Amino acid sequence: DVKVTQSSRYLVKRTGEKVFLECVQDMDHENMFWYRQDPGLGLRLIYFSYDVKMKEKGDIPEGYSVSREKKERFSLILESASTNQTSMYLCASSLRRDGTYEQYFGPGTRLTVT
Amino acid sequence: AQSVSQHNHHVILSEAASLELGCNYSYGGTVNLFWYVQYPGQHLQLLLKYFSGDPLVKGIKGFEAEFIKSKFSFNLRKPSVQWSDTAEYFCAVNAGRGGSYIPTFGRGTSLIVHP
Repeated sequence: DVKVTQSSRYLVKRTGEKVFLECVQDMDHENMFWYRQDPGLGLRLIYFSYDVKMKEKGDIPEGYSVSREKKERFSLILESASTNQTSMYLCASSLRRDGTYEQYFGPGTRLTVT
Repeated sequence: AQSVSQHNHHVILSEAASLELGCNYSYGGTVNLFWYVQYPGQHLQLLLKYFSGDPLVKGIKGFEAEFIKSKFSFNLRKPSVQWSDTAEYFCAVNAGRGGSYIPTFGRGTSLIVHP
């Protein structure tokens, strides 16, 4: 079974803090993704990576950065958290750059910025 | 650019009712199509997918979906829902071979099934 784990289920941070969200997958997947999920807006792609040290912007990258130093780990960084970044953050992975492979999702991190 | 529309944002049914959730996409080429489900408090998981072959796809828990290329649709169906089907459902599409493997998600449909 593929497992995607995220470092925290719930996180509360103050405005202006630097926030790190960690994601680890254990199935040697090439692709990893970060989404935010907001009610009525579905999943919006923040960043994705198809290889170590490679990253590509998604639809809403502003205010975020990412790091992929090892194949199994993909980190999302909020450089200076703001209240409009309060959301559920989902990490996902998938096998190869072939769109026939489905994504496997982590449990999510619910981030509240006060 | 591809886009996905889920027309039903909230659906409320009684147990044993039939379910059909609409999903339409806009992309002119070959596509791969997915339905994901998120049960309360759980992570998103795959219900079913289509990438080639028989356009009627069967998934887990009695769900099925039909790909109708001429209508750019991939509607999800279940003949008789159960209380445990209460969840949020997401349709996703990515371009086929040679295109982007990055899926685009619909906004989701919240399904509540009353016992």
